Amino acid sequence: QVQLVESGGGVVQPGGSLRLSCVASGFTFSNYGMHWVRQAPGKGLEWVAFIRYDRSSEYYADSVKGRFTISRDNSKNTLYLQMTSLRAEDTALYYCTMAFDIWGQGTMVTVSS
Amino acid sequence: DVVMTQSPLSLSVTLGQPASISCRSSQSLAHSDGNTYFNWLQQRPGQSPRRLIYKVSNRESGVPDRFSGSGSGTDFTLKISRVEAEDVGVYYCMQGTHWPLTFGGGTKVEIK
Repeated sequence: QVQLVESGGGVVQPGGSLRLSCVASGFTFSNYGMHWVRQAPGKGLEWVAFIRYDRSSEYYADSVKGRFTISRDNSKNTLYLQMTSLRAEDTALYYCTMAFDIWGQGTMVTVSS
Repeated sequence: DVVMTQSPLSLSVTLGQPASISCRSSQSLAHSDGNTYFNWLQQRPGQSPRRLIYKVSNRESGVPDRFSGSGSGTDFTLKISRVEAEDVGVYYCMQGTHWPLTFGGGTKVEIK
């Protein structure tokens, strides 16, 4: 069935780095743009980044621009989010989503010393 | 950035009664391609979000017809004709017309 599975979350110190992955199955991953969306504990949804199906364009929220990089490997049906210079305010559940129609279960990132 | 403002922040509804959520954007969401990229999403407790409505008024497959979306430009509305217990959760509006994409703050729906 159509599925997105995120991984790579964990606890990291401020200033640290982490790479999230999202593996897609059940649809032609290479045909679709993909987003990362995050949700801080008890808070609302925040869009983070987008990459076009062919990697021709990327867009970022101002809050992560210059620190996060979205990428994809269509041969592996996998979306990535490389996060650097992490801050406490990046603590959140990170979801990958295809067109806001299909969502993963999320992977938790906690930035704390 | 486009600011999405939802009202009310929370809603307590009797089962079987209607409910309505409003969302206003700080600029028009009409895209130059003729579409208006405006969605409503539902997030039930402990679950990932789910898109209910896309491009203002189009229901996703499997979404009950008691949910309807309307609006244009900067003003949009989600209506639930008869609230059921499974409708409890937080509802978000979001725009996909302008980068960066933005969400409303959410409206919590509970049963009275």
